[in-house]
Amino acid sequence: EVQLVESGGGVVRPGGSLRLSCTASGFTFDDYGMSWVRQAPGKGLEWVSGINFNGETTAYTDSLKGRFTISRDNAKNSLYLQINSLRPEDTALYHCARINSDYDYSLDVWGQGTTVTVSS
Amino acid sequence: SYELTQPPSVSRSPGQTARITCSGDVLAEQYVNWYQQKPGQAPVLVIYNDSERPSGIPERFSGSKSGTIFTLTIGGVQAEDEADYYCQSADGSGTYVFGTGTKLTVV
Repeated sequence: EVQLVESGGGVVRPGGSLRLSCTASGFTFDDYGMSWVRQAPGKGLEWVSGINFNGETTAYTDSLKGRFTISRDNAKNSLYLQINSLRPEDTALYHCARINSDYDYSLDVWGQGTTVTVSS
Repeated sequence: SYELTQPPSVSRSPGQTARITCSGDVLAEQYVNWYQQKPGQAPVLVIYNDSERPSGIPERFSGSKSGTIFTLTIGGVQAEDEADYYCQSADGSGTYVFGTGTKLTVV
């Protein structure tokens, strides 16, 4: 079964840091680009970042550049998102998703997400 | 960055056709994908490349394009189709953007 499982979320004080992880199974991880997408409580989807199959190319939404870093370890079938200088507005459910080039680079597999709460 | 605009809500009775639009200035040169999200669940891809259906998605879901307006059509809506729907596109640099989202209510 193709699956993505996120972890690493939690409650953090403003200014703190977190490293989110996403573990893939059921497919050849290093054949695919990957993305992070977040959803604040009661709000819509917001694309955060993406990375290509070998980690050499990354992209970020303009408003988050500088505080967010995406990376991957293909040997561990894992995707990561480092978030620094956390702000209350970063409170959200963070999903990882697979980018499928056969489906015109759409996000065809999603994890259930890990929750990040930024609060003092 | 750019924005994709969707109507906040659409309401249909079972068996009717639901149409959800997505518009944005840059969409003339880009493709659009559509996702369905039910409460408490992760999004599901229902249309890619403007009008293609992934395997396992019912035929009542279809997509179309007219200029810079993209439309997700659900023919003969069912109660199980009640969900939030998001369009999504990308620019040439690999940056993705989601639409504002549309809540489909089946009453």
